[in-house]
Amino acid sequence: QVQLVQSGAEVKKPGSSVKVSCKASGGTFSSYTISWVRQAPGQGLEWMGRIIPILGIANYAQKFQGRVTITADKSTSTAYMELSSLRSEDTAVYYCARDHLSTLDYWGQGTLVTVSS
Amino acid sequence: DIQMTQSPSSLSASVGDRVTITCRASQSSSSYLNWYQQKPGTAPKLLIYAASSLQSGVPSRFSGSGSGTDFTLTISSLQPEDFATYYCQQSYSTPWTFGQGTKVEIK
Repeated sequence: QVQLVQSGAEVKKPGSSVKVSCKASGGTFSSYTISWVRQAPGQGLEWMGRIIPILGIANYAQKFQGRVTITADKSTSTAYMELSSLRSEDTAVYYCARDHLSTLDYWGQGTLVTVSS
Repeated sequence: DIQMTQSPSSLSASVGDRVTITCRASQSSSSYLNWYQQKPGTAPKLLIYAASSLQSGVPSRFSGSGSGTDFTLTISSLQPEDFATYYCQQSYSTPWTFGQGTKVEIK
């Protein structure tokens, strides 16, 4: 059974950066892809990008290109999502999910990032 | 990017009702269409993948159909635990995109 455990809530100032972690257990971490999806308060789901840990290759949604960096550490089975130049509109719950055979089949519990001065 | 449009945005239904939610893609996504259920304060849960395949552990009252641009999620007999928000998502091409969600409320 795959389990994804994310880091805790963050409060950040506008213009700063945040780095959220997602530690996987069960399955073979390096063999699957991790996607990041965010959800602003009361809003829908928005895909940000994904990484294939075994290759270290990430691709991003155009909207976040240049502001988001997704990385993975195979030695600790942990994926990371760093978002820079934060603004109030980035206040959201950020989820990691296993991206397997074109589905998002296992999800982390979510990490609330609040951007406020 | 493939745009996904769900309808309705919300609906009210009673326990035992048959509920249908539709999802339309702005261009063909073949059968690369997934459905998720989300309850308040929790992560989405995969219900249906590849348009019509039931994810392991999901009750058989949930079913999906469609291909190309038009898809449907059906709950054959709504149960109290089914009141939630449902999202479709295309996985034909990145960026993965989601519908805006359909909130199913108690009538």
